[in-house]
Amino acid sequence: TQLLEQSPQFLSIQEGENLTVYCNSSSVFSSLQWYRQEPGEGPVLLVTVVTGGEVKKLKRLTFQFGDARKDSSLHITAAQPGDTGLYLCAGAEETSGSRLTFGEGTQLTVNP
Amino acid sequence: ETGVTQTPRHLVMGMTNKKSLKCEQHLGHNAMYWYKQSAKKPLELMFVYSLEERVENNSVPSRFSPECPNSSHLFLHLHTLQPEDSALYLCASSQDGGPANYNEQFFGPGTRLTVL
Repeated sequence: TQLLEQSPQFLSIQEGENLTVYCNSSSVFSSLQWYRQEPGEGPVLLVTVVTGGEVKKLKRLTFQFGDARKDSSLHITAAQPGDTGLYLCAGAEETSGSRLTFGEGTQLTVNP
Repeated sequence: ETGVTQTPRHLVMGMTNKKSLKCEQHLGHNAMYWYKQSAKKPLELMFVYSLEERVENNSVPSRFSPECPNSSHLFLHLHTLQPEDSALYLCASSQDGGPANYNEQFFGPGTRLTVL
């Protein structure tokens, strides 16, 4: 089983600050997804990255897939209270398309 | 209804009870999943159904019994659970297969289960 480590586990910042969340593994993934989960809800897919070195932007969120496809980062610019939630990364193995390995998540709190 | 729905949203049961969780997806997907989410642990994949056939059972105790009568519905039957089974149970669906399939999963809101 491939393991995904996320850091930090908890992050509390003020509105307007920037932040980066990391997702690391010793194994290679064919693709990696980021989800956000709000209290009382299920995770919602934000983005999928598939190519080593790929960068995707979603408004104030920037996602990057490492060149070796073993790690990824999520950068949020000028965080807002609405960004509060649990951010999960999930990797898909090349030989097992139906299996996603999830990280433990980063709980982000953005204070007004 | 759109997306993935789950009922009930909250469930409290004793260790001797029998209950069922229901999941329905309105996305036309061909694969459905049950996950368990506990505090401070990664999501744990429990069962995978693809085209209504169970393709994976991740060493889940037999007190959890899944059922997939068709590609839109998934159940999780519970009996003689233990307090450590208390968790958020999430259902998800995806469209398997195809050249650009990255198994992007769509989750329901979950059932918060408490076993007394």
